[in-house]
Amino acid sequence: EVQLVESGGGLVQPGGSLRLSCAAPGFTLSTYWMTWVRQAPGKGLEWVANIKQDGNVTYYVDSVKGRFTVSRDNAKNSLYLQMHSLRAEDTAVYYCARDRDYYHGSAYYDAFDIWGQGTVVTVSS
Amino acid sequence: AIQMTQSPSSLSASIGDRVTITCRASQGIRSDLGWYQQKPGKAPKLLIYAASSLQSGVPSRFSGSGSGTDFTLTISSLQPEDFATYYCLQDYNYPRTFGQGTKVEIK
Repeated sequence: EVQLVESGGGLVQPGGSLRLSCAAPGFTLSTYWMTWVRQAPGKGLEWVANIKQDGNVTYYVDSVKGRFTVSRDNAKNSLYLQMHSLRAEDTAVYYCARDRDYYHGSAYYDAFDIWGQGTVVTVSS
Repeated sequence: AIQMTQSPSSLSASIGDRVTITCRASQGIRSDLGWYQQKPGKAPKLLIYAASSLQSGVPSRFSGSGSGTDFTLTISSLQPEDFATYYCLQDYNYPRTFGQGTKVEIK
C-alpha cells in the first residue's frame, strides 16, 4: 500500500528544537518532490516547505525561513523537517505529502496525492 | 505571496443538493489549482488537480472549473460522506498557498 508515516512530534518548550520524520513504505520516495503542510488547532492548512527529488532545491514559507530545514535521505526512503527556535505559533499537526506531477493538456501540474496521518507538535512552556 | 480567498466560509446543505464553492486568486494562476477535502481528525484528500481534472478514485459528482483568478468546485448531488471542509491550493508559484477553507455542514 502506498502510504506516508510521520513521527517525531511532541511537546517542546519555546525556543526548542524538534525533528520530524516521514517514512514512505510502498513507494520510492526519490522519484518525487515532497512537501510539509501544517494545521494549527482549529485553523486551516498552511504549506510549510518542499524539497526536490535530489535534495538540492528547497522552498519555505516566510514564517519558517531560517528556522526550519527540510531534507531527505533517499537511501532510507525518508523525509525530514528539522525545526529550531520553535514558537507557540508553530503548534500544529504536521503532515508530509507526496508532490506528484500530472501531465494534462500539454502542461505539467503538481498536486499532493498521498498524505501521512500527521504528527502533533506542541510548543508550550 | 498569492492570496487565495474562498467563499463561502461555511454552508449548510441537504443530501442531494448541488453545492458550489468558489476560490479567487489575488493574481492570475493559469490552471495551477487543486481542491482538497478534509474530514475532522483526518489528513486532506486530493479531489481535483489542474483546476478541472478529477483525481483517480474520486466520485464523478465532484467537478472543478476555472482558470486565471476564478475557480469553482461543484458537488452535483451532495452525499452524506461529503460533509467536510474543502480547501483550494495554488501551485503556480512559491510559497504555495491554501484558501481558508469552506466547511460544508448538514442542513
